[in-house]
Amino acid sequence: QSALTQPASVSGSPGQSITISCTGTSSDVANDNLVSWYQHLPGKAPKLMIYEGTKRPSGVSNRFSGSKSGNTASLTISGLQAEDEADYYCCSYTGGSTLYVFGTGTKVTVL
Amino acid sequence: EVQLVESGGGLVQPGGSLRLSCAASGFPFSSYSMNWVRQAPGKGLEWVAYISSRTTYTYYADSVKGRFTISRDNARNSLYLQMNSLRAEDTAVYYCARIGPWTASYFFDSWGQGTLVSVSS
Repeated sequence: QSALTQPASVSGSPGQSITISCTGTSSDVANDNLVSWYQHLPGKAPKLMIYEGTKRPSGVSNRFSGSKSGNTASLTISGLQAEDEADYYCCSYTGGSTLYVFGTGTKVTVL
Repeated sequence: EVQLVESGGGLVQPGGSLRLSCAASGFPFSSYSMNWVRQAPGKGLEWVAYISSRTTYTYYADSVKGRFTISRDNARNSLYLQMNSLRAEDTAVYYCARIGPWTASYFFDSWGQGTLVSVSS
């Protein structure tokens, strides 16, 4: 099971919207809505931002939203803020012997 | 407040063994499935192992199968990872991560801060 494909980096100015893509296969991303997204700051615990493709946990800003089309899931951050600077990872449950596969990770930079 | 605190990391020689622990608090540990996820230096997150709430099911990444063993002690609210035959490529920060609260949850809703394992001679 190969890692899901994400762009290495995405940047935007404060207030702008950015979208991070996460491309997989019919065995993972396309197979039901079981994609989650995590924000990871260096030295910190990863934080769940989106689960089941589109749902936000309590306490996560509504500036974060998730979507999916075919084999590609996406995370959109609207109204970009300096505090959003972090690494972001998608993850898909596969149901196979490798239960979960993560994306390659995207570094978000706020210009 | 949910807390997951990993310990047991350190420097070990190739071929050696190490046992990681994760102390859980703030939630009914025995009701949740748990995982280990790692991040090698400069690399992304990699799922390592899963254990169901009652220890009925365990799953492993191909990269660690046959070398690592995940276990738990629900009476002690603790999760473990026994790592044998360690290789340089096992060098990483290891995180314990909780699966979401519902029967059909497939995401990690709480994570620890991680413990560093370095495999080097």
